[in-house]
Amino acid sequence: DTGVSQNPRHKITKRGQNVTFRCDPISEHNRLYWYRQTLGQGPEFLTYFQNEAQLEKSRLLSDRFSAERPKGSFSTLEIQRTEQGDSAMYLCASSSVGPGDIQYFGAGTRLSVL
Amino acid sequence: AQSVTQLGSHVSVSEGALVLLRCNYSSSVPPYLFWYVQYPNQGLQLLLKYTSAATLVKGINGFEAEFKKSETSFHLTKPSAHMSDAAEYFCAVSDGFGNEKLTFGTGTRLTIIP
Repeated sequence: DTGVSQNPRHKITKRGQNVTFRCDPISEHNRLYWYRQTLGQGPEFLTYFQNEAQLEKSRLLSDRFSAERPKGSFSTLEIQRTEQGDSAMYLCASSSVGPGDIQYFGAGTRLSVL
Repeated sequence: AQSVTQLGSHVSVSEGALVLLRCNYSSSVPPYLFWYVQYPNQGLQLLLKYTSAATLVKGINGFEAEFKKSETSFHLTKPSAHMSDAAEYFCAVSDGFGNEKLTFGTGTRLTIIP
């Protein structure tokens, strides 16, 4: 068990560019979550998957954001036409299926939009 | 809707002193409650969780938390602070009834004074 892996760890981009992040969950976990954390704040929920199905999306997830989990394993989060307000830490977590199951977090991808 | 309030964005204690980090929650159903710790530039690590089995929950690194329904509180304590406890601490809630996302508080930064 290697834990939740996120790549890249850091991404610097120019405003208007598209970026994609990848998350590899713990292998036996069915659920995968994306959160966003800005400086001085707690993580905020963006979306989550159970296997390949995207079950919930936050209203924080604008049309420029899209997430996929095509084979129920790894997931990608894409941001199109990045804006400076998108600068944040993007955290991925995975868990088993069950009420109150622990979510295990990756180290995150820090996005800086110049 | 669920919410979490963490009183005190910054807490400083002397090494060896009691640590008390406050968390109050709001939930329309019996909640699942979590404390996570975050070290600089890292993801979140679970300290402990409450899932109704016992009101006093023991976690890692000597931390524990007590669920008090009448006060809607889940405060985190440690009898004797260590320098390595310096980090950001987040309280989180989920209702676990088909709504597995975590709602986090804004966090408390703990500083240990030598």
